Amino acid sequence: DAKTTQPNSMESNEEEPVHLPCNHSTISGTDYIHWYRQLPSQGPEYVIHGLTSNVNNRMASLAIAEDRKSSTLILHRATLRDAAVYYCIRRRPMRFGAGTRLTVKP
Amino acid sequence: EAGVVQSPRYKIIEKKQPVAFWCNPISGHNTLYWYLQNLGQGPELLIRYENEEAVDDSQLPKDRFSAERLKGVDSTLKIQPAELGDSAVYLCASSRGLAGNDEQFFGPGTRLTVL
Repeated sequence: DAKTTQPNSMESNEEEPVHLPCNHSTISGTDYIHWYRQLPSQGPEYVIHGLTSNVNNRMASLAIAEDRKSSTLILHRATLRDAAVYYCIRRRPMRFGAGTRLTVKP
Repeated sequence: EAGVVQSPRYKIIEKKQPVAFWCNPISGHNTLYWYLQNLGQGPELLIRYENEEAVDDSQLPKDRFSAERLKGVDSTLKIQPAELGDSAVYLCASSRGLAGNDEQFFGPGTRLTVL
């Protein structure tokens, strides 16, 4: 199965870190892990991607397990604007699941 | 830099009518994608173009759906005839390279309602 597994929903408090998990136990050695997020009434937006090493950018960090069967998207300080559906995707083939709906409470 | 442009943003039609969606990708992007998104679900890939060639259309219902990307730039997705179950958001995305690992940029989508 090419899809990934994510919790349906998560909650966070504003200005606290958020760790969004993803399982991809059947991933191949050359598949990148990509994360996108989708705000209400908008198309998905790229967040971050990686292969084996942990990755950081201005939006988030991506921690990839050593066996590559799971990864975690880290938002260091959640804001209300981070409330969205977050998708973890194996790049090949490109298949979105239902994602994790993140709610950020003030 | 302009983003991915889609039109129309909203479309309401009666079942059995034809409908077409248009997408203009970001300038210089070689790969173009069409997705369908049902309420509460993630986007589902319908077709992927590399330049003007459709390289992945395995999920496109070819009995009623068709797509084209003339000259490898903008693209049109057509449904004929539309059915009630086709009500969804149709998303277009583009990426620069052809390797399949580039960041995808999505348009705002076209919300189709079939009555």
